[in-house]
Amino acid sequence: GQQVMQIPQYQHVQEGEDFTTYCNSSTTLSNIQWYKQRPGGHPVFLIQLVKSGEVKKQKRLTFQFGEAKKNSSLHITATQTTDVGTYFCAGRWNNAGNMLTFGGGTRLMVKP
Amino acid sequence: GAGVSQTPSNKVTEKGKYVELRCDPISGHTALYWYRQSLGQGPEFLIYFQGTGAADDSGLPNDRFFAVRPEGSVSTLKIQRTERGDSAVYLCASSLYAASSETQYFGPGTRLLVL
Repeated sequence: GQQVMQIPQYQHVQEGEDFTTYCNSSTTLSNIQWYKQRPGGHPVFLIQLVKSGEVKKQKRLTFQFGEAKKNSSLHITATQTTDVGTYFCAGRWNNAGNMLTFGGGTRLMVKP
Repeated sequence: GAGVSQTPSNKVTEKGKYVELRCDPISGHTALYWYRQSLGQGPEFLIYFQGTGAADDSGLPNDRFFAVRPEGSVSTLKIQRTERGDSAVYLCASSLYAASSETQYFGPGTRLLVL
């Protein structure tokens, strides 16, 4: 089946440093969603990207969708301890149903 | 309004037993999804409903797993003859419509442990 690969698996940063996680699909996506999951919690929706080359910002978070709609990234500027958690991308493809296919997630740890 | 709710929050059972997990979606959401998340991994799709019918059950791992949504609202995921490998967090999500553009909102999950 279709898969979404996400890197890195883990990232340790010092508070104030930037952080980026990347997702890649071998085939063109219909759209991609990003979720954040705190330790012991459930995935919380952050954003959906639909258009080729789309860039969306939420405060210190910047989300990008590649021109070919095969890759996406989430960048956090000046991380804070509240950013700790696992960030998942989840993709959907045309004619492949409405379910989300999640990447493996990137676990972000922030040292104060 | 209230978000997606799931009960129980934790379930411990013995190998071979039957379990039922319940999901109450956001009011008015017609689509309901079940996912399973193993430790350190992303959620994996199991089944989704559009109204009362299962629109796609391709993610169910085998015939021990079954889900229903008889009135198009609450859904129950049923697992027969549980195995230790079934231990995971079972997540439910709902969306307003069953469309690929719709946002899915997740519940807190049921943590299942099979001893």
